[in-house]
Amino acid sequence: QVQLVESGGGLAQPGRSLRLTCSGSGFNFSNHAFHWVRQAPGKGLEWMTVISSDGSNRNYADTVKGRFTVARDNSKNTLHLHMNSLRTEDTAVYYCARGWGLVPDFWGQGTLVTVSS
Amino acid sequence: EIVLTQSPGTLSLSPGERATLSCRASQSVISSYLAWYQQKPGQAPRLLIYGASSRATGIPDRFSGSGSGTDFTLTISRLEPADFAVYYCQVYGNSPLITFGGGTKVEMK
Repeated sequence: QVQLVESGGGLAQPGRSLRLTCSGSGFNFSNHAFHWVRQAPGKGLEWMTVISSDGSNRNYADTVKGRFTVARDNSKNTLHLHMNSLRTEDTAVYYCARGWGLVPDFWGQGTLVTVSS
Repeated sequence: EIVLTQSPGTLSLSPGERATLSCRASQSVISSYLAWYQQKPGQAPRLLIYGASSRATGIPDRFSGSGSGTDFTLTISRLEPADFAVYYCQVYGNSPLITFGGGTKVEMK
């Protein structure tokens, strides 16, 4: 069955970096674009970024442009989110989601990132 | 930037009742770009509706989507206990590429 598993979350100090990983299985990973979406505690969903199926195109929300970088390795069915210059407002559960046409259709369970000194 | 406003913020209903959730866009949206998600506490969002009115795989037919232009609706014809959750609308746009509404919580009365 389709599975997406995020990892790499945890506690980071403001200004530091963190790398999240999303591993996919049960489908043809290289056929799909992938999104990262986050959700601050008790808040709604906020889209961060998308990467095309071959990794050649990326798009970012203004709130993370220049600080976050999305990358993928289709040979390993993995997706990464490199997060630099972390701020307290980046504290959230981060979800990876498979792209299907114009929508994220299947989501992982998320990984919690806490930015605090 | 397209802003999506969902109403009401909270809907208090009983099992078996009909739920009508609204999503209003700040500018006209192509219907094929509008989706709805369900999220239960501690879980990831689940795609319910795409293209404004098409049900995703495995979604029961008590869920239906409608609307066009700036006004879209998610209807749950007869609420079941598993349907009490938060619902988000989402649009594919320009910048940002994807925007979510603030959500509507459907709670048990």
